[in-house]
Amino acid sequence: DTAVSQTPKYLVTQMGNDKSIKCEQNLGHDTMYWYKQDSKKFLKIMFSYNNKELIINETVPNRFSPKSPDKAHLNLHINSLELGDSAVYFCASSRRESSYNSPLHFGNGTRLTVT
Amino acid sequence: QQQVKQSPQSLIVQKGGISIINCAYENTAFDYFPWYQQFPGKGPALLIAIRPDVSEKKEGRFTISFNKSAKQFSLHIMDSQPGDSATYFCAPSVDGNEKLTFGTGTRLTIIP
Repeated sequence: DTAVSQTPKYLVTQMGNDKSIKCEQNLGHDTMYWYKQDSKKFLKIMFSYNNKELIINETVPNRFSPKSPDKAHLNLHINSLELGDSAVYFCASSRRESSYNSPLHFGNGTRLTVT
Repeated sequence: QQQVKQSPQSLIVQKGGISIINCAYENTAFDYFPWYQQFPGKGPALLIAIRPDVSEKKEGRFTISFNKSAKQFSLHIMDSQPGDSATYFCAPSVDGNEKLTFGTGTRLTIIP
């Protein structure tokens, strides 16, 4: 009964490959996010979608392309993977209203290792 | 730019002691002051949050103290337990804004 679920949990791949991470939420939220957590635990927002519309697009290489087929899903596709892409990627969701009423709910992360 | 500074980077506290983590911010437009807790292998989860119109909020053993003039807020964990061992993030933002600015994290270890 996981609220925000990501697959896969672990992803090991070689440089230059293309990979995707999938995220689904069953909380009825209308806003979904991708965050990147580096080896020093620093959390940085990458993208945010509200009702399938891109609303936040931080300074992220265009090798990263999010796709939201519907409100409950937000996938992340990464082309031409580089060593520096190794990190834990978190999906999160919330409702677009007061943060006090709807804090972020995070998935358990996808650990991406590029060799 | 470093909008949010969190300290200390790591903290070791004995069981039963008080853990204190601090967060300093620059953006005076921030009006949502949460702390998130992250266990190994898990995503962060909201622990406690405070509105700017109060100076303190307590939930069980967890208390947020807020100092608006100093642009700082802190997390106090009373009677710290080994189960509190985790990484803690402050994430001040503008209420309703999708973009949270996370602090650099504090790794808390509670030793028996």
